[in-house]
Amino acid sequence: DGGITQSPKYLFRKEGQNVTLSCEQNLNHDAMYWYRQDPGQGLRLIYYSQIVNDFQKGDIAEGYSVSREKKESFPLTVTSAQKNPTAFYLCASSIDGDNNQPQHFGDGTRLSIL
Amino acid sequence: GQNIDQPTEMTATEGAIVQINCTYQTSGFNGLFWYQQHAGEAPTFLSYNVLDGLEEKGRFSSFLSRSKGYSYLLLKELQMKDSASYLCAALDSNYQLIWGAGTKLIIKP
Repeated sequence: DGGITQSPKYLFRKEGQNVTLSCEQNLNHDAMYWYRQDPGQGLRLIYYSQIVNDFQKGDIAEGYSVSREKKESFPLTVTSAQKNPTAFYLCASSIDGDNNQPQHFGDGTRLSIL
Repeated sequence: GQNIDQPTEMTATEGAIVQINCTYQTSGFNGLFWYQQHAGEAPTFLSYNVLDGLEEKGRFSSFLSRSKGYSYLLLKELQMKDSASYLCAALDSNYQLIWGAGTKLIIKP
């Protein structure tokens, strides 16, 4: 079955440490997105990519980095510069960057600080 | 600024009908999405409206009024599995999605 796989489901970060969240899709979608979800708030866009080797900052990109070396993969690194990283992180993809196409989401990664 | 408003929480009874409202203020408008999200899981797509009117999909329907900046999601014949958060998201003039905080729907027997 086609879908989006995020790993790990739970992740713990120590102070000063960078961590990388994995997102893989086998839907042959061109566009991929990373969101952060905090209680009581809407999804906030961190980064998005409409094509391989290209990505754009979203509303809250500071303290995060991404790469898009392959169509299927869009990993997110939470750097030590992100001072409040505890959140639920969701990866999504859509057929193309035309945003009136629905986005398909992975099951998320919950990141906590040790 | 851009804003999406929806109620934080609603309660309804199994077998009944519930309407979840969403109002939006965006710079330009290119359509509105509804997603369902069970706790700790991925949001799943329910509907997309760009023209005024009601779109029906089985037990779920979605309505849009562009002139009023208003949408609602109507759920009929409620089942316990419908207990979830319902997310409203509007596309602005740059085709960026603006998300509401979600409405937590609690279904009681």
